[in-house]
Amino acid sequence: DIVMTQSPDSLAVSLGERATINCKSSQSVLYSSNNKDCLAWYQQRPGQPPKVLIYWATTRASGVPDRFSGSGSGTDFTLTISSLQAEDVAVYYCQQYYDTPYAFGQGTKLEI
Amino acid sequence: EVQLVETGGGLVQPGGSLRLSCAASGFIFGNYWMHWVRRDPGKGLVWVSRINSDGTSTAYADSVKGRFTISRDNTKNTLYLQMNSLRVEDTAVYYCAKRAGLEGKNWFDPWGQGTLVTVSS
Repeated sequence: DIVMTQSPDSLAVSLGERATINCKSSQSVLYSSNNKDCLAWYQQRPGQPPKVLIYWATTRASGVPDRFSGSGSGTDFTLTISSLQAEDVAVYYCQQYYDTPYAFGQGTKLEI
Repeated sequence: EVQLVETGGGLVQPGGSLRLSCAASGFIFGNYWMHWVRRDPGKGLVWVSRINSDGTSTAYADSVKGRFTISRDNTKNTLYLQMNSLRVEDTAVYYCAKRAGLEGKNWFDPWGQGTLVTVSS
């Protein structure tokens, strides 16, 4: 099974500053049909269901502000929030969707 | 608008059973794989199970294999999770989620609001 490991577990960032969350997969999640990594990032605000932010490791989902960006390849991935807003307080998860079980990272709690 | 609405959660004793339902609307339900994911208290998201579009193929996390059964009724646009032999550690908010698309588009989008399952004596 693929294991996803996020760091840090929690992060406090000032408004307007940059936040960076890392995610490492225990093996490659490269989808050979399109040469893209099967890696998604989700945001879960308090009391809300998770919402996809990024898929294919770097593609922003529809309606997601451009301050959110995904980078990385192979087994190392990063979610960056370029200028933190108050509404970005949430738990962020990476997930591999290459194969079952579709493992999530343990989550990173982002606070102001 | 795509909507997923879970029902069926509640309080159950260890060893008991519960069936969750997820009513889908706003898309052609029978065309998409569906998933159950849970958020354990104090922990994170854990993938539980998935079913293919016509219900002929399923997969489970090791922690629920043999106890949980995923199914679907495409005539009723509804996904189910039958949970038997429940344990205290199954306590969680359970979400249903739609596979985003076809051909490798296996991320989850959208998710339902979730239903709380509490296993306690």
